[in-house]
Amino acid sequence: DTEVTQTPKHLVMGMTNKKSLKCEQHMGHRAMYWYKQKAKKPPELMFVYSYEKLSINESVPSRFSPECPNSSLLNLHLHALQPEDSALYLCASSQDQSLPTFFGQGTRLTVV
Amino acid sequence: AQSVTQPDIHITVSEGASLELRCNYSYGATPYLFWYVQSPGQGLQLLLKYFSGDTLVQGIKGFEAEFKRSQSSFNLRKPSVHWSDAAEYFCAVGARDSSYKLIFGSGTRLLVRP
Repeated sequence: DTEVTQTPKHLVMGMTNKKSLKCEQHMGHRAMYWYKQKAKKPPELMFVYSYEKLSINESVPSRFSPECPNSSLLNLHLHALQPEDSALYLCASSQDQSLPTFFGQGTRLTVV
Repeated sequence: AQSVTQPDIHITVSEGASLELRCNYSYGATPYLFWYVQSPGQGLQLLLKYFSGDTLVQGIKGFEAEFKRSQSSFNLRKPSVHWSDAAEYFCAVGARDSSYKLIFGSGTRLLVRP
């Protein structure tokens, strides 16, 4: 299994909603990442988890809250988002001490 | 600071023609180098990567890239383009430390004429 699976594929949420994005991999990778990608732009790093511990937070607003319950699963909890947070959210993984090599298909988030 | 430049925003080639996508980077030492492809609305797929060793790297889907230290370049090539290669291509640079940071170029959109 060489996949990173993200659910849901599409999400529409209101500014007062709470929702979560889920990412799963079963490759034994110990680093997992969240990226945000706006239309026609490259991905931007948000968070990195290494061995289930948050190692990088790229000054992301607190309305985005990551969680890594175990080595295969990465969540991104969303609360009180703004319309400008609408984007493609990508999860990635890699073996420890390396850089993201496998990306999921992304969750297309629309905040209304 | 690291940076990546992809000078071509769009490139159009005819099916069957050869392809070269340019990538230049700025980094104090030899970085990790990557090429990714992204179809519309999809995630990124790793085409190839350079960490060390042979400067000509073979990837998936018939792509290759050559690391040229003297030119700070890592250009992507394919000898014969297929219509299914139409997509956005991102070059990326990673630091040789434990920061896990990947810096992406702005991307090149490849269009393929029938």
